[in-house]
Amino acid sequence: GDSVTQKEGLVTLTEGLPVMLNCTYQTIYSNAFLFWYVHYLNESPRLLLKSSTDNKRTEHQGFHATLHKSSSSFHLQKSSAQLSDSALYYCALSEANTNKVVFGTGTRLQVLP
Amino acid sequence: EAAVTQSPRSKVAVTGGKVTLSCHQTNNHDYMYWYRQDTGHGLRLIHYSYVADSTEKGDIPDGYKASRPSQENFSLILELASLSQTAVYFCASSGTGGAGNTLYFGEGSRLIVV
Repeated sequence: GDSVTQKEGLVTLTEGLPVMLNCTYQTIYSNAFLFWYVHYLNESPRLLLKSSTDNKRTEHQGFHATLHKSSSSFHLQKSSAQLSDSALYYCALSEANTNKVVFGTGTRLQVLP
Repeated sequence: EAAVTQSPRSKVAVTGGKVTLSCHQTNNHDYMYWYRQDTGHGLRLIHYSYVADSTEKGDIPDGYKASRPSQENFSLILELASLSQTAVYFCASSGTGGAGNTLYFGEGSRLIVV
């Protein structure tokens, strides 16, 4: 079945440094959607950005990601981390035929002053 | 703004007891989902539904049942709660129209089984 891999469980960095959270996936569907959801403490997870278009950069709230089907990757990036970016970030994949959404194990981003 | 509400928000249950987690959405969405969140495992899909009176198994359905009596309501039932079911449970809904639909999550239900 489909799967999403987020190798880093915890990423710690200093405010102002660039952020890159890795996401790779496996799917048999050529038209699958990839998502990044963010989960702030004491809130509900919510969508950060999504894409199904190969090699197109998607941006939202200062974050961006580009879906690369050739390498099955959808890494999340930001040029300069802020303290308020500290949260749990999930990469997810949506199966085209069933609307079933599969999540990775999540990466906790901790931004320090 | 999408609205998904869960109840109870927190519960302590005894091993072997029955637990029902309820979810209500006012988004007019067809799809509803139950996920559990565990450190190191992320969000794992338990059951989901795309129409009233029908449910589908997710990736970890063992030990759980689901019920979708109406479009708005989706319940997760633990007939015999076990210690391993201690977790935070999230309900979500999404519309139809393809795989790119956004999931809208509830606030979560923290379940502790003792």
